[in-house]
Amino acid sequence: DTGVSQDPRHKITKRGQNVTFRCDPISEHNRLYWYRQTLGQGPEFLTYFQNEAQLEKSRLLSDRFSAERPKGSFSTLEIQRTEQGDSAMYLCASSLLREETQYFGPGTRLLVL
Amino acid sequence: DAKTTQPTSMDCAEGRAANLPCNHSTISGNEYVYWYRQIHSQGPQYIIHGLKNNETNEMASLIITEDRKSSTLILPHATLRDTAVYYCIVRVSVRNYGGSQGNLIFGKGTKLSVKP
Repeated sequence: DTGVSQDPRHKITKRGQNVTFRCDPISEHNRLYWYRQTLGQGPEFLTYFQNEAQLEKSRLLSDRFSAERPKGSFSTLEIQRTEQGDSAMYLCASSLLREETQYFGPGTRLLVL
Repeated sequence: DAKTTQPTSMDCAEGRAANLPCNHSTISGNEYVYWYRQIHSQGPQYIIHGLKNNETNEMASLIITEDRKSSTLILPHATLRDTAVYYCIVRVSVRNYGGSQGNLIFGKGTKLSVKP
């Protein structure tokens, strides 16, 4: 039984570069969520998908951020022109359509220098 | 903003029960109480959830007061590996009440330190 996986686990980049993260949800989970967590804070919601459709976006998701889930399976989160304030842990979670419980991946830790 | 209030930190002796309180005085009738925990540098881990009845699983027990304004997560025999930040979250049930809001709203949680 594989859980949610995320790749890479760690990313160091220079300010202004673009980065892309991948999330593979639990098989057959219709919903996929992205969260961001900064040091000392709880995770904050960014966006979520139901199958291919992006149903909700947080105001935290600036226009430099874009998320896709083209075939309703894995998802990517891209950050363009990274800023130091983007340094955080990016978490992915998945759930079944009518199921309450979200299961989280290990996260991708981003450091922008 | 999170709809719950939790103590910032708690200590517990190894082998003893850890009782983590959560206040959710504004909870609505269609909102469940969820508990997650996050061990350092890992993703949050689901523990348990409930509506109004007490719940128990292999990880923990959840006790919800009759007025549903507060709850307690109980780890019956805490071990050093239970040291983590514990988050209490309220959320509208998707299955039972057709809640459409997708996200979980995390507060800062309770940092539980289990000591030998």
